[in-house]
Amino acid sequence: NAGVTQTPKFRVLKTGQSMTLLCAQDMNHEYMYWYRQDPGMGLRLIHYSVGEGTTAKGEVPDGYNVSRLKKQNFLLGLESAAPSQTSVYFCASSYSGQGNSYEQYFGPGTRLTVT
Amino acid sequence: GEDVEQSLFLSVREGDSSVINCTYTDSSSTYLYWYKQEPGAGLQLLTYIFSNMDMKQDQRLTVLLNKKDKHLSLRIADTQTGDSAIYFCAESIGSNTGKLIFGQGTTLQVKP
Repeated sequence: NAGVTQTPKFRVLKTGQSMTLLCAQDMNHEYMYWYRQDPGMGLRLIHYSVGEGTTAKGEVPDGYNVSRLKKQNFLLGLESAAPSQTSVYFCASSYSGQGNSYEQYFGPGTRLTVT
Repeated sequence: GEDVEQSLFLSVREGDSSVINCTYTDSSSTYLYWYKQEPGAGLQLLTYIFSNMDMKQDQRLTVLLNKKDKHLSLRIADTQTGDSAIYFCAESIGSNTGKLIFGQGTTLQVKP
C-alpha cells in the first residue's frame, strides 16, 4: 500500500514551458486535491476533485489545469510556466470518514523551479 | 472569507511541554485538524477534533477547542527533538468536498 505518490520529485522548467505533475493513490479515495506551498503562506488549494471525471477550482487556480480521468489519478498541468509558479506542490486524497471527517493523506511533494 | 492564523515560530527545551495556538474564522467548521510536516516531506495527519468537543487527548498530544473564541491549541507533552517540525492547523469548509483551509504553519524548534 503505497498511499499517495507524486512524480516527478523535482523539476526545473524554463519560462513558457509546459509540464504535467502526476498524483496517484491506491486507497480508493473519492476526493483528491492539489496544493502549492510557499514560505510563510501555508498550503493553498489549486484545484480539487470530488470523484472520477469531476474537477473544481480552488483558491489559486489561474495558470493550472487538472484532469481526473481515473479515480486513482489526478493530473496537474502547467501550460505555460511562469517564475511565480516556482513552489512545492502537494497532492492529497481523502474519503468521507466517520461523521464526515475527511482526513486528507498527502504525497511527498514535487519541488518545481521555473527560471 | 475563511482564514486560519498561527504564530510562525516556537522554541522549547527537550522535555518541556509545547503549546501551538491557532485561530480560525469559519464558525460552521465541523472538524479542525493538526498536521505535522517534517523537512522535505509531505503533511502527516496528527489528530483532529469534532467541533462539538472541547478536548481530545491522544498519548502525548492534547487538543483544546474554544469554539466561542474560535481558538484551537495543540499541546505536546514531554517534547522530544523528533517533534521538531512545522505544525499546521486546518479547518474544514464546504460540505461534501473535504476542502480544508490551512494556517501558515508553526515551526517548532526543540533544543536539547
